[in-house]
This record gives sequence, C-alpha cells and structure tokens, in this order.
Amino acid sequence: GAVVSQHPSWVICKSGTSVKIECRSLDFQATTMFWYRQFPKQSLMLMATSNEGSKATYEQGVEKDKFLINHASLTLSTLTVTSAHPEDSSFYICSAEWSGPGNTIYFGEGSWLTVV
Amino acid sequence: GNSVTQMEGPVTLSEEAFLTINCTYTATGYPSLFWYVQYPGEGLQLLLKATKADDKGSNKGFEATYRKETTSFHLEKGSVQVSDSAVYFCALVQNNAGNMLTFGGGTRLMVKP
Repeated sequence: GAVVSQHPSWVICKSGTSVKIECRSLDFQATTMFWYRQFPKQSLMLMATSNEGSKATYEQGVEKDKFLINHASLTLSTLTVTSAHPEDSSFYICSAEWSGPGNTIYFGEGSWLTVV
Repeated sequence: GNSVTQMEGPVTLSEEAFLTINCTYTATGYPSLFWYVQYPGEGLQLLLKATKADDKGSNKGFEATYRKETTSFHLEKGSVQVSDSAVYFCALVQNNAGNMLTFGGGTRLMVKP
C-alpha cells in the first residue's frame, strides 16, 4: 500500500539552531502534503498545507518564517524549524494525499523534536 | 466548521472485553470518516475508514459504521488484547474542502492482562 516516510524519527537540537524534517511519499505522487503538530494530550493541529511547486498555506497562528515548508517535488516536502526554542519541542507529523482509488490520506511516522 | 468529538479517555479494559469508543461529528455534506491509531512511540496509522453512509469499515477486528442519521462513527471491537493499547483518533475529511483532516481529541485505550 501507499507509504509515507518521515525522517528523522527523533531529533535533538540546541536552542537557536535549525532542524529540517523530511516527508516523502514512497510509491505515489502527492501534489498536496500536510504538516501537523501534536501538543501533549491534544489532537493534531494542522500547521500548513504544502502544495508542490507553490507556497505553503499556513494556518492562523503558525509563523511561516519560523516553520519553513518546501514542497520541491511530487514526492518530497520538508519542514524546517528555524531558530528552534524549547517550546518548539513537539511531535511533528506529515500526511500526503493520495488521489488514487479511495482518495485517502496517509500519514508519515512522525518526528519527535526535542530542543535543549 | 467541521468538528469531531470523541469520548474522553483513558479507557481501561481487561483483555477480551468489548470495546466501544464513541465518535460523533459535525460537517456539511457527506464527509469521509476515519479511525487512526497511534501505538506508543509510533506515528499515526490508518485503522479503517468509511466514505459513505451505512458503510462499515473494518480492520484487525475493529469495526465502525458510518451513521449519517446520528452523525456517528463509533469504533468497536469484540475482544480487545493488550496489544490494542494505544491512542485512537476519529477523523473526517470534507471531500470538497481540500481533503484536510479534522481530528477528534484522541482516546487512550489501556488493556490490562
């Protein structure tokens, strides 16, 4: 079946540095990918919608200059957390829309970010 | 706007007990409905889905029926196992609104031996 891969699964970085998270659709092309963040004891929060070849659409309250999203190809979207702070520590997850039969959405495995 | 409401957890059951996790939704039109599961230390996985009224999604012994009259998509399993311990998310996709998911708050299930 369709698979979406995220990398890295776990990352620890120092405050003030930037970290990049990749989201790849392994066996299908995804014109649209989504980035979510999960706060403790809460459900996922949609951060932005990433469209191949165009600028991402950010949800209200999400800083686009801090969370840089690049969807350079039909199989890859990246989220870069710039100048990370401890409050950015969270679980980030991407999903990719599969427009084939069933038209469903597949999630990546998620990336745990810890900023120290 | 769209919303999904799940029963709050944690839900604690003994092995082989019957499981029901309630999920109701608010949406216009005919959304697609999903149950996702997140096992400890792992990402979300699609558990089952239903795309139209009266459809029944099923997988790994879990079932959920799309009930438009009650706007519900309750998750059930006849006999839970310790390995079913996880967080379960109910979600919907408004099919004509960019296919963005709306999630419920998640329900943690703990199954004791």
